[in-house]
Amino acid sequence: GAGVSQTPSNKVTEKGKYVELRCDPISGHTALYWYRQSLGQGPEFLIYFQGTGAADDSGLPNDRFFAVRPEGSVSTLKIQRTERGDSAVYLCASSLLPGAGGPDTQYFGPGTRLTVL
Amino acid sequence: AQSVTQLDSQVPVFEEAPVELRCNYSSSVSVYLFWYVQYPNQGLQLLLKYLSGSTLVESINGFEAEFNKSQTSFHLRKPSVHISDTAEYFCAVTPLGDAGNMLTFGGGTRLMVKP
Repeated sequence: GAGVSQTPSNKVTEKGKYVELRCDPISGHTALYWYRQSLGQGPEFLIYFQGTGAADDSGLPNDRFFAVRPEGSVSTLKIQRTERGDSAVYLCASSLLPGAGGPDTQYFGPGTRLTVL
Repeated sequence: AQSVTQLDSQVPVFEEAPVELRCNYSSSVSVYLFWYVQYPNQGLQLLLKYLSGSTLVESINGFEAEFNKSQTSFHLRKPSVHISDTAEYFCAVTPLGDAGNMLTFGGGTRLMVKP
């Protein structure tokens, strides 16, 4: 079946502009995660949704970053007043809710490469 | 909080040679452990995971990892690598009992298999 999809695959913007990054999770996956991967580093957690609500947004770096998942499926990560330091690959992952045996596998999308000039 | 250290940023190795990619973690609570792989121009894929039971876990393509609680390590090994194993490998952890299961990743190790 279809995996996690993210659009756009690449986004180039100018400093100070607003951007939206979209994630389409695997159908039926209740949990959705956003991570950010800077060049040469591992992914870093940003925010986690369980259904429609943001269950944990402790990884968002500041209030310029915001994410929504209004219908419990597609999610949008929004970045206001972009800065050059926001340049990175933004990854989305989805999973089923954990069961008695532990966490379910997180399935990652291909990412959106954001470049802020 | 958890942290993950992958001691080698790059590991060059010849085809058919054995390889070990090292991963150490720090956590005040017990964790689940994962290895993810990122092939060139592809997204992250789960390679293997340790949740409970036997401390030695295996993947379908010949990799294995052993959880060592006393050394807080989860090193990844393969006895004979192929060119197609060239990729970036990430070790990750998430705490037991954490409702969200957010992953904490290491910095990654680039495995470069040479003919």
